[in-house]
Amino acid sequence: AQKITQTQPGMFVQEKEAVTLDCTYDTSDQSYGLFWYKQPSSGEMIFLIYQGSYDEQNATEGRYSLNFQKARKSANLVISASQLGDSAMYFCAMREGQRGGNKLTFGTGTQLKVEL
Amino acid sequence: DGGITQSPKYLFRKEGQNVTLSCEQNLNHDAMYWYRQDPGQGLRLIYYSQIVNDFQKGDIAEGYSVSREKKESFPLTVTSAQKNPTAFYLCASSLPGQAIYEQYFGPGTRLTVT
Repeated sequence: AQKITQTQPGMFVQEKEAVTLDCTYDTSDQSYGLFWYKQPSSGEMIFLIYQGSYDEQNATEGRYSLNFQKARKSANLVISASQLGDSAMYFCAMREGQRGGNKLTFGTGTQLKVEL
Repeated sequence: DGGITQSPKYLFRKEGQNVTLSCEQNLNHDAMYWYRQDPGQGLRLIYYSQIVNDFQKGDIAEGYSVSREKKESFPLTVTSAQKNPTAFYLCASSLPGQAIYEQYFGPGTRLTVT
């Protein structure tokens, strides 16, 4: 079974509007972490935001927020006031447990295109 | 500036040749990782190392080898046993232990084997 599922291969959004990128996960661990990364066409991976499984508040970083619904096992990324520079591939990733290293499992990504 | 460097950015090899991809970091991170990315796919973990002189296989280690002789360096060798080596390879590093620490990524090496 997929541990991280991103069901939207591609998304379009108008500049200045908000967009939600979906991510669901599957784990039996009580302690885990969820990450979102941005990958522009140049290829580097840029860390955006982190949510811990025990965090009660949704994480926010500037225009990025994470809509964490633990019971539904979802960790959607919300980008507010989209900019042309937000056009990129976005990956959701999960780290399970507290042992075995800081290994991440990635989803297949969502290609976001911001239009004028 | 602190960061991760990967060289070269593009690499071309003939089938049957081993090739070594470089990864160097000056972030003083103990943990380092190698990922492979195929077109339209997410990243898959090849090998990771939490400390010098120690490393573990990831999900797709077959056909790859690594070494970790120095904290700053974690080279990846793509051997001739790797059946489909053409891919984008990303190196990352992080602080060890509790995984609230994000991984920092290098710019990647695009390997083409013909």
